Amino acid sequence: EAGVAQSPRYKIIEKRQSVAFWCNPISGHATLYWYQQILGQGPKLLIQFQNNGVVDDSQLPKDRFSAERLKGVDSTLKIQPAKLEDSAVYLCASSISGGALSGTGELFFGEGSRLTVL
Amino acid sequence: QQQVKQSPQSLIVQKGGISIINCAYENTAFDYFPWYQQFPGKGPALLIAIRPDVSEKKEGRFTISFNKSAKQFSLHIMDSQPGDSATYFCAAGTYSGAGSYQLTFGKGTKLSVIP
Repeated sequence: EAGVAQSPRYKIIEKRQSVAFWCNPISGHATLYWYQQILGQGPKLLIQFQNNGVVDDSQLPKDRFSAERLKGVDSTLKIQPAKLEDSAVYLCASSISGGALSGTGELFFGEGSRLTVL
Repeated sequence: QQQVKQSPQSLIVQKGGISIINCAYENTAFDYFPWYQQFPGKGPALLIAIRPDVSEKKEGRFTISFNKSAKQFSLHIMDSQPGDSATYFCAAGTYSGAGSYQLTFGKGTKLSVIP
């Protein structure tokens, strides 16, 4: 079974530039998450999608970050304009969703996209 | 606001020894407590998880101990091996509908198992 695919793996940009990250979840996984992992810290949830609808984006800095999941499959996370503090690994994860209480809760993570803002 | 506190930040254990990592949480709405293992350059992967209706769960060399009243849980790795060297994250989750959970992660513990 193919895992969660992310691209690009690495990106270096100057501050105030824009960047976009792409994620393809495991086939059949209805729930998709974007996490930000700053060096030396745990992943922090940015946004959660259920199919193509947003479940929670309360921690997404909406003045500069945007995310979409058209057709309920692939997702794109965009940052514009980037700041120095956006340097991090952006992790995409997906999970199987079923009826209430039937989910295992397991998140399957991609290898991440490492962003360096200079 | 850090809702899940993890310690220690780093841990060095001799091969064959026991590795113990501790976590504490504040939000009593959490009802799912997984541990994730992350190797350099990889995404985190689920290791073991527990729900608050049990006090202990064991899978092979890995055991979670859970203390609901103290709002603490810990990971024990028995007979630690060099291949266990990785960063371990505890997390606490709340149900977000349709079988999915939102996780709040601790800051991680870098485990080094020396031969």
